[in-house]
Amino acid sequence: AQSVTQPDIHITVSEGASLELRCNYSYGATPYLFWYVQSPGQGLQLLLKYFSGDTLVQGIKGFEAEFKRSQSSFNLRKPSVHWSDAAEYFCAVGRSSNTGKLIFGQGTTLQVKP
Amino acid sequence: DADVTQTPRNRITKTGKRIMLECSQTKGHDRMYWYRQDPGLGLRLIYYSFDVKDINKGEISDGYSVSRQAQAKFSLSLESAIPNQTALYFCATGGLPTDTQYFGPGTRLTVL
Repeated sequence: AQSVTQPDIHITVSEGASLELRCNYSYGATPYLFWYVQSPGQGLQLLLKYFSGDTLVQGIKGFEAEFKRSQSSFNLRKPSVHWSDAAEYFCAVGRSSNTGKLIFGQGTTLQVKP
Repeated sequence: DADVTQTPRNRITKTGKRIMLECSQTKGHDRMYWYRQDPGLGLRLIYYSFDVKDINKGEISDGYSVSRQAQAKFSLSLESAIPNQTALYFCATGGLPTDTQYFGPGTRLTVL
């Protein structure tokens, strides 16, 4: 069955520290992979996406993610967290040829300490 | 102006009432989606549409119906609202070839 797991429900980091949010997926084919961010009271904003090619992808707001096929992972990273990064982060997988539906993880809530 | 808009943004209704949530997009995408978000469950797909004549059920369609009035408009209806439909509802659009989805701001629905 297709699924996405975000093992960490809640993460707290200090401002200026590095961040890594984990995402593991189960999918029959090579998936398209996405990270979205949801700030309090807001909709979901696309941070970055992977379709093919270079396995390290750059996104907005200084985020990057690395696709590791052997580990079925697509972890999100940022070298230095800002207080404004406090939000909920969702990993999603899908493939356009397969109806275009996305499967979302449960989300990881990031808290940033001053 | 936002590419994907949802109305209303907040709605409080009573059990048994009919309610409609509306979504409009200016991105020119053919594909539109309705999701429901509940704490700890992520987003779950209710219905999706690939064009005006192509509407499909998602994983949690019971108790909901949809209408695709035009390429740019996709409405979600709750025929008889119940309290466990209290949630945050998102509309999204997507286009080929990669179907990256873009989300509206959400509608917070409370059913009393």
